This record gives sequence, structure tokens and C-alpha cells, in this order.
Amino acid sequence: ELKVEQNPLFLSMQEGKNYTIYCNYSTTSDRLYWYRQDPGKSLESLFVLLSNGAVKQEGRLMASLDTKARLSTLHITAAVHDLSATYFCAVVPGTYKYIFGTGTRLKVLA
Amino acid sequence: KAGVTQTPRYLIKTRGQQVTLSCSPISGHRSVSWYQQTPGQGLQFLFEYFSETQRNKGNFPGRFSGRQFSNSRSEMNVSTLELGDSALYLCASSPDLLGGTQYFGPGTRLLVL
Repeated sequence: ELKVEQNPLFLSMQEGKNYTIYCNYSTTSDRLYWYRQDPGKSLESLFVLLSNGAVKQEGRLMASLDTKARLSTLHITAAVHDLSATYFCAVVPGTYKYIFGTGTRLKVLA
Repeated sequence: KAGVTQTPRYLIKTRGQQVTLSCSPISGHRSVSWYQQTPGQGLQFLFEYFSETQRNKGNFPGRFSGRQFSNSRSEMNVSTLELGDSALYLCASSPDLLGGTQYFGPGTRLLVL
């Protein structure tokens, strides 16, 4: 069974702190996506990671991919309140359909 | 370019009824996928259409169906609604079938009473 698991499911952190969200997947996938979803809103694309060792950074977020370990990380540096949202990773197995992770609900406290 | 649009945004139906949701993809995008999002099950893939043909299908009963028109617009239909069908239904478009970045619409929130 295809599984995409994220850890943690819920994360409450103080502003200014660093933290990492993990995305483990059980099937081979040659790409991995990270999305952000604000409450009551749709999904916004953050990163596309296309190869082993890929690293992408945008502002306080940095994503990386290890295809051998089937693991992606989303690192948050010096968190700010505006980063509060739910973050999803998604893989694309050979059938091309997206398999989404469980989501990580992040709350950044002032 | 205009983003993905979905209509209606909110819908209330009763059990046993049927519903049709509409999605207009980004101009030039030929692939349209549908997802169901619920607090309990998360984001689940329903189906994907490309060039008016269903190319992929998730594990949903036959009550869930869809179609795509020649202009890439897509509709999904749910017949004989059940309480458990209450969810946010998201449509996403991408240029082609090759697993590229999907751009999501605002969703249709369906409540079944």
C-alpha cells in the first residue's frame, strides 16, 4: 500500500525557533512536492524536488529530498506567525497521480 | 493568467440527492484532477482527466464520476449523496499528464444533511 507519512502531525512553536517537518514515503517517486494550505483555503505550491539530493529554499523554508531513504524534509528557520498553516508533501508514483501526506499543522506562537 | 476556478463554492444537499461540481483549469492546462479533503481521511485522489479521457482513478465508489470537455473544463458528479460525502472538493490543473506541479482551485465545500 502506498503511504506518505508526515511527522509531526501537529507542531506548535515559538517565533524565532527552528524546526523540521519530515515526510516519509513507501514507494519510489522521482519527484516530491510541498504544498501549503491556510485554514479554509486551497493549496499553494511551495517546492518541487526533482532529484536525489535536491534542495530548494524560499525565505524561511528549505526543502530537501533523499530518494534513497524515501525522505523529504521541510526546515523552518526563525519561524514567524505568517508561516502558520498546514503543510503537505506529495509524491508521484509511476501512475502519475499524486499521493498526499497526512499534513502537518503548524502554529507559530508570538 | 487566471487561476483555477471552481463553482459553486458552497453547496448544501440532502442525503440521496446528486450534485455536480465544475472546474475550469488554467488556460492551456490539459490535465484536471479532483480530490476530496476531509478532516478524517485527509486529501484523497478521486480521478484525473486528460484530453477528455479519464487517465487515473482513486479508490472511490462508482457514485463518484466525472468528465472533461474539449475546452479542458471538467465536472464531477456525485449521485445518491451520503453524509460521509461532506467534504471540500478540490480541483487541480497541470499542463500535462507527466506528474508536473498541480495548481489548485479554491474548492467547493459540500455539506450533506
